Amino acid sequence: DQQVKQNSPSLSVQEGRISILNCDYTNSMFDYFLWYKKYPAEGPTFLISISSIKDKNEDGRFTVFLNKSAKHLSLHIVPSQPGDSAVYFCAASARAGGGADGLTFGKGTHLIIQP
Amino acid sequence: GAVVSQHPSRVICKSGTSVKIECRSLDFQATTMFWYRQFPKQSLMLMATSNEGSKATYEQGVEKDKFLINHASLTLSTLTVTSAHPEDSSFYICSAQDLVGNTEAFFGQGTRLTVV
Repeated sequence: DQQVKQNSPSLSVQEGRISILNCDYTNSMFDYFLWYKKYPAEGPTFLISISSIKDKNEDGRFTVFLNKSAKHLSLHIVPSQPGDSAVYFCAASARAGGGADGLTFGKGTHLIIQP
Repeated sequence: GAVVSQHPSRVICKSGTSVKIECRSLDFQATTMFWYRQFPKQSLMLMATSNEGSKATYEQGVEKDKFLINHASLTLSTLTVTSAHPEDSSFYICSAQDLVGNTEAFFGQGTRLTVV
């Protein structure tokens, strides 16, 4: 049972436009969400996160939106640049319980920025 | 950001042999390290959580006797795949986290294991 779902395996966006990557989750215990970027044969690189007490977090070109009632989050990248081409993973964890908790990942979305 | 070094990046081994993968946090003390596995076109799946100085906690379906985890210091965790078989071929990634400082999890570069 996939608790974190990224339903778009790939997304193609023109350079300079907005990229919107979507993620849905089913576990209501998740209270912390992260986006990671991954190049082939490399480990994921942390991009941006959001706590469930917020509905938006912004860092430069990257903005994450969280809709708790819909159990949906999205990552907006604007403007999109060629270097943004990578696989983006949505991840979630339940931190409110305290202690360490491994991340639950979606399958990833391959973002391709077209020149 | 913090650096997590994973070694080796790629290894090919014969069926029945054991392989050790190292994960080091280079510039912070990692109280907790996580080991993930990724099959082609699948998400990263958490295998186990290790806390320095204590036994690892394995996720359901992961054989603890096959995937031995040692977290002997605050900067080093090792994953040993024992008696490897071709179905163990996968991409293994570690991540390290300092919960005292409540940092994000930082990932190593990953290890591509091929068992022939």
